[in-house]
Amino acid sequence: ETGVTQTPRHLVMGMTNKKSLKCEQHLGHNAMYWYKQSAKKPLELMFVYNFKEQTENNSVPSRFSPECPNSSHLFLHLHTLQPEDSALYLCASSQVQGERGEQFFGPGTRLTVL
Amino acid sequence: AQSVTQLDSQVPVFEEAPVELRCNYSSSVSVYLFWYVQYPNQGLQLLLKYLSGSTLVKGINGFEAEFNKSQTSFHLRKPSVHISDTAEYFCAVRDTNAGKSTFGDGTTLTVKP
Repeated sequence: ETGVTQTPRHLVMGMTNKKSLKCEQHLGHNAMYWYKQSAKKPLELMFVYNFKEQTENNSVPSRFSPECPNSSHLFLHLHTLQPEDSALYLCASSQVQGERGEQFFGPGTRLTVL
Repeated sequence: AQSVTQLDSQVPVFEEAPVELRCNYSSSVSVYLFWYVQYPNQGLQLLLKYLSGSTLVKGINGFEAEFNKSQTSFHLRKPSVHISDTAEYFCAVRDTNAGKSTFGDGTTLTVKP
């Protein structure tokens, strides 16, 4: 595997379910990001981890819970979601937050909340 | 604080025609500038970036962009587009100090035969 991978690619869940999104980067980066991309809305940064420490939480509801066990893996735990949470969730990584390099994105998980 | 404005939400163009996707930004500090492309059902992929030096930046797939500091713009251009260039294009800026990135709303480029 190369680059940034995300699983699952598609997820349908009810409002009472608990599920997790997984992201893995094979680039040796130290910063990882979760973004939400909804139709007709700009890309929204949700969380940033730098060297496994959370450095940004952009007022994300607590029904989204991130976890970064090491610099290569990032999870987004989901529980009691709402239909408006349906979106494409993108994971990205970069060398270090603040460095000159660009972010590398995964293909995303298309989430549908019923 | 910084912001990015992509001036056109949709740009339809015929194949082999030139195209320009416009991006303006505002920031109180120095920034790095990026253009990303997103094909259907995929993540974002870097097209090109401006960090310093020459203001004309060349990227992949024949795209180029010019950084204009006085006009705070970073417009993306391609002299002749292909059907395969149909995608969503995002302009982004990153604060050189804190590393916070801000994305524009995106421009949908549709290339017609």
